[in-house]
Amino acid sequence: AQSVTQLGSHVSVSEGALVLLRCNYSSSVPPYLFWYVQYPNQGLQLLLKYTSAATLVKGINGFEAEFKKSETSFHLTKPSAHMSDAAEYFCAVSDVSQAGTALIFGKGTTLSVSS
Amino acid sequence: DAGITQSPRHKVTETGTPVTLRCHQTENHRYMYWYRQDPGHGLRLIHYSYGVKDTDKGEVSDGYSVSRSKTEDFLLTLESATSSQTSVYFCAIQGTGGPGTFFGQGTRLTVV
Repeated sequence: AQSVTQLGSHVSVSEGALVLLRCNYSSSVPPYLFWYVQYPNQGLQLLLKYTSAATLVKGINGFEAEFKKSETSFHLTKPSAHMSDAAEYFCAVSDVSQAGTALIFGKGTTLSVSS
Repeated sequence: DAGITQSPRHKVTETGTPVTLRCHQTENHRYMYWYRQDPGHGLRLIHYSYGVKDTDKGEVSDGYSVSRSKTEDFLLTLESATSSQTSVYFCAIQGTGGPGTFFGQGTRLTVV
């Protein structure tokens, strides 16, 4: 069975600092991996996805994530945080072997950015 | 914009009453999903559909039923609402441009 663990339910950074949100997965088959962002009272927006092409994936808003099979990790980073990055972030995994497989989500990490 | 509309956006209902949430998509996608979001739990799959009249249970399906009589509409029904079903409900579709799920804006349901 697949699962996702997001380390740290709350991360606080200063504006301009590095953002690092951690995600580890377990999967018996090669996974697809995703990061979503949710702003208050809104739906989830896809930030980026790994689909077995390049291991370093670039997404929207300056975010990127690196797939590391040996570490079963897919950590999300951004070199310099902006106030507008404050939101909740979700890592998710799905099974590549079956089309239409639903996503399995981590419990989320709330990012706070201080000035 | 993946063309997903959820209705209603907010609802307050009493314990024991039936409630139906609607998800409407405009882009003819095959796969549709209902999730619920609760603090500390992330999003959990309730039911999903892989075509008209083809549905299956997810992780937290107890107390919920779904129907899909048309490609564009996926309905979630709480037969007899309970306070534990107070949550934010998200509908999602899987797009055709490769893997990736797109979400509606959510329905905030409060059961009192």
